[in-house]
Amino acid sequence: DQQVKQNSPSLSVQEGRISILNCDYTNSMFDYFLWYKKYPAEGPTFLISISSIKDKNEDGRFTVFLNKSAKHLSLHIVPSQPGDSAVYFCAATKNQGGKLIFGQGTELSVKP
Amino acid sequence: EAGVAQSPRYKIIEKRQSVAFWCNPISGHATLYWYQQILGQGPKLLIQFQNNGVVDDSQLPKDRFSAERLKGVDSTLKIQPAKLEDSAVYLCASSLAPGGGQETQYFGPGTRLLVL
Repeated sequence: DQQVKQNSPSLSVQEGRISILNCDYTNSMFDYFLWYKKYPAEGPTFLISISSIKDKNEDGRFTVFLNKSAKHLSLHIVPSQPGDSAVYFCAATKNQGGKLIFGQGTELSVKP
Repeated sequence: EAGVAQSPRYKIIEKRQSVAFWCNPISGHATLYWYQQILGQGPKLLIQFQNNGVVDDSQLPKDRFSAERLKGVDSTLKIQPAKLEDSAVYLCASSLAPGGGQETQYFGPGTRLLVL
């Protein structure tokens, strides 16, 4: 039962362009969503999050959009840089002590 | 500030052998997590500790996996006996406050286990 899905295993983008990573979830009880970034041989690092009371959260070049009716969230990176090349995981949780449920990850490659 | 430390970084064993992983969380972090990440999948929570008590171990295969966090600091995860399907990266994470998915989790580099 895959409650959080990232249907694109990989994405390739040119440097300077926008990267859009997508994530879908099935559990309507999820009310907090996070994106993690993972480089090879390292653990995931927290990138950005959004609560279900918002539909957008921005942090520098990174913006996360949440569409609750579609149970869909996306991460936009503008402009994309070669250092952004990594695996990106979305995760979801329920408030008040819920555990993180991760998607399968999308490998982003930003080409110079 | 030192991050989450894990050892060993790599381990190769034969099936039916036992193996143990060690984790030292960030100083002062009350909550410690062990995740299993199988190739091509996202991390899956195995067990969550708050100080030295277990908060959630619903996805821990208790017939072969065990974990402890003595004195509420370091933790060990053991597999005995190992199966081929246990080949994965085992990630340890910690967070400052008790539990809650909204609390930022800091991950260690992981231990890559290969069971032959």
